[in-house]
Amino acid sequence: AQSVTQLGSHVSVSEGALVLLRCNYSSSVPPYLFWYVQYPNQGLQLLLKYTSAATLVKGINGFEAEFKKSETSFHLTKPSAHMSDAAEYFCAVSAGGGNKLTFGTGTQLKVEL
Amino acid sequence: DAGVTQSPTHLIKTRGQQVTLRCSPKSGHDTVSWYQQALGQGPQFIFQYYEEEERQRGNFPDRFSGHQFPNYSSELNVNALLLGDSALYLCASSLGLAGGQQFFGPGTRLTVL
Repeated sequence: AQSVTQLGSHVSVSEGALVLLRCNYSSSVPPYLFWYVQYPNQGLQLLLKYTSAATLVKGINGFEAEFKKSETSFHLTKPSAHMSDAAEYFCAVSAGGGNKLTFGTGTQLKVEL
Repeated sequence: DAGVTQSPTHLIKTRGQQVTLRCSPKSGHDTVSWYQQALGQGPQFIFQYYEEEERQRGNFPDRFSGHQFPNYSSELNVNALLLGDSALYLCASSLGLAGGQQFFGPGTRLTVL
């Protein structure tokens, strides 16, 4: 079984500041890990994914995430926040070999001037 | 290249009624998964269709059923609607069952009164 915990349902940062969104996972098998972004009234867009290759994964829009097995974490970062980054972010885990995604409860990112 | 499309965009039903939601996968994709996203929550996996068969199912009652057609499009049917079925229903498509990237549609917002 897989599960995801996202710490912090709401995160607020200033424009230009570091973005850090936390995700811890639990998986009985080597996990595939994903970060998705959701803008209001839209579906989910994939930011990046980890599928057992490089532990530091670079995604779109300047986001990256690092897979740390010892900490069971997959935190999302971006060096400098932009107003357009304001959205809800979901971390998800899959057992691989199948498409079922298990999502966290999401983190709403607010970017302030 | 059309992405994942879903219809209708919004739907209002009353308790006890039945509803059918439709999804057309991204061109070239043959696997469709359905998710339910309640307000303020992460998406929850309902089921997945591949080769016109249900391959995986999440923790949803039998009131939720689906179908996949030879052209890979899919329907989600919900019978005997409850107030708690009000949610955004997301369809995702991918290629095969090997855990490939899922592309999400914009969703159908179902309101049950």
